[in-house]
Amino acid sequence: DGGITQSPKYLFRKEGQNVTLSCEQNLNHDAMYWYRQDPGQGLRLIYYSQIVNDFQKGDIAEGYSVSREKKESFPLTVTSAQKNPTAFYLCASSIAGTFNEQFFGPGTRLTVL
Amino acid sequence: QQQVKQSPQSLIVQKGGISIINCAYENTAFDYFPWYQQFPGKGPALLIAIRPDVSEKKEGRFTISFNKSAKQFSLHIMDSQPGDSATYFCAASIIGTGGFKTIFGAGTRLFVKA
Repeated sequence: DGGITQSPKYLFRKEGQNVTLSCEQNLNHDAMYWYRQDPGQGLRLIYYSQIVNDFQKGDIAEGYSVSREKKESFPLTVTSAQKNPTAFYLCASSIAGTFNEQFFGPGTRLTVL
Repeated sequence: QQQVKQSPQSLIVQKGGISIINCAYENTAFDYFPWYQQFPGKGPALLIAIRPDVSEKKEGRFTISFNKSAKQFSLHIMDSQPGDSATYFCAASIIGTGGFKTIFGAGTRLFVKA
């Protein structure tokens, strides 16, 4: 089965701790994306990557970091600098190079206590 | 400039009725307009999409109407069913630094009454 895996589904962390969210895809897509979803605000782009070892800041990158060492993996680290990290985080992937459907993972709900 | 404004925030429709969700944008560089459907606790999934050189696209009960001069587009769900109850996001995509970016609207929660 081809698709995008995000783990864990639920994550709890204490304030001030960094936490890394996993995103893996076996769709052979070059492009990967991280979005944050808050109630009433839709999806906001955190970071995106069109190719391995390259990534760009999205609209709300402050307090987050990413890496893209492998085509199939795009982990997101929520750092202690993120003021309000509690949210639903969605990873997506697509074919690069043109406008294409983004395939989304099931999401990780992060709660910072 | 890169916002996509979506309305209404929520919508209640009787089974068999027509659901209409509207979106507007400012940046004329947007070149691809997808709609995504999201069920609770799941990631969004592409429903239907349109390019700005087309005024209408229909797939089954779902139709996108696109008005390039007004910079508006809308989703029509004909014969709405309870299974259509979900959150719908319009979006607009643009070529940005480092690749293609997609800007999402705030979402519309649709409830179809049986």
